[in-house]
Amino acid sequence: QSVLTQPPSASGTPGQRVTISCSGSSSNIGSNYVYWYQQLPGTAPKLLIYRNNQRPSGVPDRFSGSKSGTSASLAISGLRSEDEADYYCAAWDDSLSAHVVFGGGTKLTVL
Amino acid sequence: QVQLQESGPGLVKPSQTLSLTCTVSGGSISSGGYYWSWIRQHPGKGLEWIGYIYYSGSTYYNPSLKSRVTISVDTSKNQFSLKLSSVTAADTAVYYCARNPDSSSPNFDYWGQGTLVTVSS
Repeated sequence: QSVLTQPPSASGTPGQRVTISCSGSSSNIGSNYVYWYQQLPGTAPKLLIYRNNQRPSGVPDRFSGSKSGTSASLAISGLRSEDEADYYCAAWDDSLSAHVVFGGGTKLTVL
Repeated sequence: QVQLQESGPGLVKPSQTLSLTCTVSGGSISSGGYYWSWIRQHPGKGLEWIGYIYYSGSTYYNPSLKSRVTISVDTSKNQFSLKLSSVTAADTAVYYCARNPDSSSPNFDYWGQGTLVTVSS
């Protein structure tokens, strides 16, 4: 059971806009930045969004992140076949046992 | 361009100690400014952060694994290592090493390719 909750799957057709949600609590998303990772099949995760809504160099602006309260979202616009991957949210958790927490991941299928 | 590469046995017997090394190239661990992490992914599952080390040797571990984990650094070889003791089948996973510019965030900007470790007799 992951600390951050994501839907297990999402889907869309090419060109569509899809969003993936990530729900947490006051000790993680509610008080810290949210990060998003993209993991293509058979590869290591890749940083997609940092500090809620910042894109590392090289990440297309089709990818955007947002945060409100104890929830966050990743939006992908102009969906492309190569976006088919697993997406993970992550945050630091300030609970008594502070550490990094991840969501369970969302498998995005491009129909 | 920073690169990280994991190495170590792909098969470990139950109750033994899993040992992996991450070799960093394109940047020096001893330069400071970064935290060097281990992260694992159980087959078909999500990600689990194991812990990190700073070049000075200071460490921070996931509380759920703390009793079994040791992360060390060898700045002369530009490597850092993971030891996980008393392994069981539940420790079978792909193990990744990663670089983090921040100490209290999941900001992993460079990752190794990962190495599968299977715990089995």
